[in-house]
Amino acid sequence: QVQLQESGPGLVKPSETLSLTCTVSDYSIKYQFYWAWIRQTPGKGLEWIGSVYRGGSTNYNPSLRSRVALSVDTSKNEFSMELRSVTAADTAIYHCARAAVTDKTYYFDSWGQGTLVSVSS
Amino acid sequence: SYELTQPPSVSVAPGETATITCGGRNIGDKLVNWYQKRPGQAPLLVIYDESDRPSGIPERFSGSIFENAATLTIARAEAGDEADYYCQVWHRGRDDLDVIFGGGTKLSVL
Repeated sequence: QVQLQESGPGLVKPSETLSLTCTVSDYSIKYQFYWAWIRQTPGKGLEWIGSVYRGGSTNYNPSLRSRVALSVDTSKNEFSMELRSVTAADTAIYHCARAAVTDKTYYFDSWGQGTLVSVSS
Repeated sequence: SYELTQPPSVSVAPGETATITCGGRNIGDKLVNWYQKRPGQAPLLVIYDESDRPSGIPERFSGSIFENAATLTIARAEAGDEADYYCQVWHRGRDDLDVIFGGGTKLSVL
């Protein structure tokens, strides 16, 4: 069963870049799935950030597109996210997930536990 | 933009049936997915493509769509079903693709 584990700093200063990595175990990211980032802000619901495919093609949340970049490293079986110019509103639990995507469907069948990132000076 | 609307909370007595709705414009044209989220745990996919159950999800969980609302039904509710439940779809706008979650529904079993 695929396992996903997020890693990265728990504290980022305002205006800086938030960088997270998701390490995937027991499944090769070279296979046919997308790999996604989703966050949950305090007291609020889930928000999709974006998804990346093994070849590097990406889909981004339109509201975050100007600040986010996703990438994959198949040699390490991991994928990463960078979110630029962060503010306190970006404080959230960040989850990575595996996404099943076709021309009809788009769902997340495996998730990491999540990592809390706080934006504060 | 596309939005999904869920009731903030639903209560159900143990052993009874819980129904959580998810409304959206022309939602019948979309494949709806449902996730269970317990505090401190990773979200868990419980229904995908409107009514399919992933391996390991009890048959008590079912999904359907009627008119302009998707529904997650949990039969014979148990204390362990207490969690937040989120619906999710994807939507192709004029220029791009977006993945949307509903605001979540807190299910209380009491």
